[in-house]
Amino acid sequence: KNQVEQSPQSLIILEGKNCTLQCNYTVSPFSNLRWYKQDTGRGPVSLTIMTFSENTKSNGRYTATLDADTKQSSLHITASQLSDSASYICVVWDRLAFGKGNQVVVIP
Amino acid sequence: DAMVIQNPRYQVTQFGKPVTLSCSQTLNHNVMYWYQQKSSQAPKLLFHYYDKDFNNEADTPDNFQSRRPNTSFCFLDIRSPGLGDAAMYLCATSRDQGLQETQYFGPGTRLLVL
Repeated sequence: KNQVEQSPQSLIILEGKNCTLQCNYTVSPFSNLRWYKQDTGRGPVSLTIMTFSENTKSNGRYTATLDADTKQSSLHITASQLSDSASYICVVWDRLAFGKGNQVVVIP
Repeated sequence: DAMVIQNPRYQVTQFGKPVTLSCSQTLNHNVMYWYQQKSSQAPKLLFHYYDKDFNNEADTPDNFQSRRPNTSFCFLDIRSPGLGDAAMYLCATSRDQGLQETQYFGPGTRLLVL
């Protein structure tokens, strides 16, 4: 069983709308959880890095949250743009445990 | 400017024919990683170097080897590629292995095995 589970597997949203991606993990304890954006055919790019003690971290229109009690993280995309179409990967850094990603498609 | 460079971007090889994938970095980072990512799968760490120290993941097949001749370059050698080795291979670097270190990925090399 994967240590990091992401949902939904794929998502289609209209340009300008918001969306939230979920990440549930079983790795414990850990010190560092990250979200990456991976465009098709490209390497992942770091969006946010959160330590165990942080609840939220923002990077422009991307806001990540972390609830260590429920072992859940989310990535919220505000006012989506066409360029947000990508796979979003949740990673527990200590174990280099990667989720399979949330595939987001933004349509005009 | 490209910081982590992978060549080639696409590689076609024959079943059983050795192949080498290349990664170089201009960041002067201590750590270099190789990942395998199959379609719709999470990236899977194969091994990493901390400077010259090689760290192999327990479940990385012996078919996969790596070399790091200097700080800037790291190679992935697949001795006898099988059909199941077709994947995207990602190289990444980080300055150190600290908790807040950012990992920088290259664009990847997509390997096709015929």
